[in-house]
Amino acid sequence: AQRVTQPEKLLSVFKGAPVELKCNYSYSGSPELFWYVQYSRQRLQLLLRHISRESIKGFTADLNKGETSFHLKKPFAQEEDSAMYYCALSRGGSEKLVFGKGTKLTVNP
Amino acid sequence: DVKVTQSSRYLVKRTGEKVFLECVQDMDHENMFWYRQDPGLGLRLIYFSYDVKMKEKGDIPEGYSVSREKKERFSLILESASTNQTSMYLCASSPRTSGDDYNEQFFGPGTRLTVL
Repeated sequence: AQRVTQPEKLLSVFKGAPVELKCNYSYSGSPELFWYVQYSRQRLQLLLRHISRESIKGFTADLNKGETSFHLKKPFAQEEDSAMYYCALSRGGSEKLVFGKGTKLTVNP
Repeated sequence: DVKVTQSSRYLVKRTGEKVFLECVQDMDHENMFWYRQDPGLGLRLIYFSYDVKMKEKGDIPEGYSVSREKKERFSLILESASTNQTSMYLCASSPRTSGDDYNEQFFGPGTRLTVL
């Protein structure tokens, strides 16, 4: 069965500090991993996907198959990064996503 | 710009009522999804539709049904609402994947349903 674990419900950092949101997954095949973000009073939207290997809003995430992890990182957090972050997994070619329980990030001034 | 709209932002119903949540997308997407979002539980898939009149149960279908009579519209039905169905309901759509390509899911603004 596919499972996504986000061990931190809440994460609080100061502006300018590095931030890492953890995501671990359980899946025997080759997964596709994603991070979705929901800012206050906005709809849920895709932040980035591992296949594209891009940096979005200063965030990066590397798929580590050995550790079955897909942690989201940013070297210098900004207040506007405060949001709810969800890690999600899809089997290759599958239409469906399995979401983690989410991590609420607060960046303090 | 992909637009997914949901019929109500807030809804208050009484236990036992039949409740309809409507979702419309304007990008000709084949796939549509209904999730519920609860604090500490994340997003859980209720139902998924990959074509008109086609549906597939998600992880928590009990107490819900769906209808997809037109490609752009996907309805979630609570046959007899109960207090434990108080939640935020999110609709999403995506184009059909091809091969190993994944297509982004686009979400609506959500409907906060309270069942008294």
